[in-house]
Amino acid sequence: AQSVTQLDSQVPVFEEAPVELRCNYSSSVSVYLFWYVQYPNQGLQLLLKYLSGSTLVKGINGFEAEFNKSQTSFHLRKPSVHISDTAEYFCAVFEDTGRRALTFGSGTRLQVQP
Amino acid sequence: EAGVAQSPRYKIIEKRQSVAFWCNPISGHATLYWYQQILGQGPKLLIQFQNNGVVDDSQLPKDRFSAERLKGVDSTLKIQPAKLEDSAVYLCASSLIRGTTSTDTQYFGPGTRLTVL
Repeated sequence: AQSVTQLDSQVPVFEEAPVELRCNYSSSVSVYLFWYVQYPNQGLQLLLKYLSGSTLVKGINGFEAEFNKSQTSFHLRKPSVHISDTAEYFCAVFEDTGRRALTFGSGTRLQVQP
Repeated sequence: EAGVAQSPRYKIIEKRQSVAFWCNPISGHATLYWYQQILGQGPKLLIQFQNNGVVDDSQLPKDRFSAERLKGVDSTLKIQPAKLEDSAVYLCASSLIRGTTSTDTQYFGPGTRLTVL
């Protein structure tokens, strides 16, 4: 069965600093990988996804993520964060076999300070 | 394009009462999902519909939870009777189609925050 681990529950960072949110997964089959963002009192919004091809994926709002199959990781990065990036970020995995459903990590709270 | 609509946004009930949540997916989306998001955790899939048929309800506590999507469009999730541990945000999502070799983006509604006292 697949699982997703987001290693940091909270990440405080100053505005304009770079940030990396870590995500590791475990699965015995091919997977697709996603990052979602959740702003307060809102639903989840897709930031980016990896289905195949280039392992570096660019998403909205200047975010990017790199798929590393050998390390089973899909870390999210942004070179310079803004106050408006303050939100909860969720990594999710979709196994292309069996149950074929999204499994989410527990989330990382990104707090951007001025 | 209108997004996924959910109502109510907030609901407070006492344990052993019943409650229902409504979801209207994006027009034309065949697949509809209900997730439960407990505070401090990621969303957990409860049930997945393809048109008006259930394709996955393995994580739905069927002794108290039920869901339907009678006409293949909007959906209702019900809890009867509610327990304290059902306090959570219930998220609805939809996607164009449940692909056989890939996955389509799921679009989420704002959720219904349920508090059981």
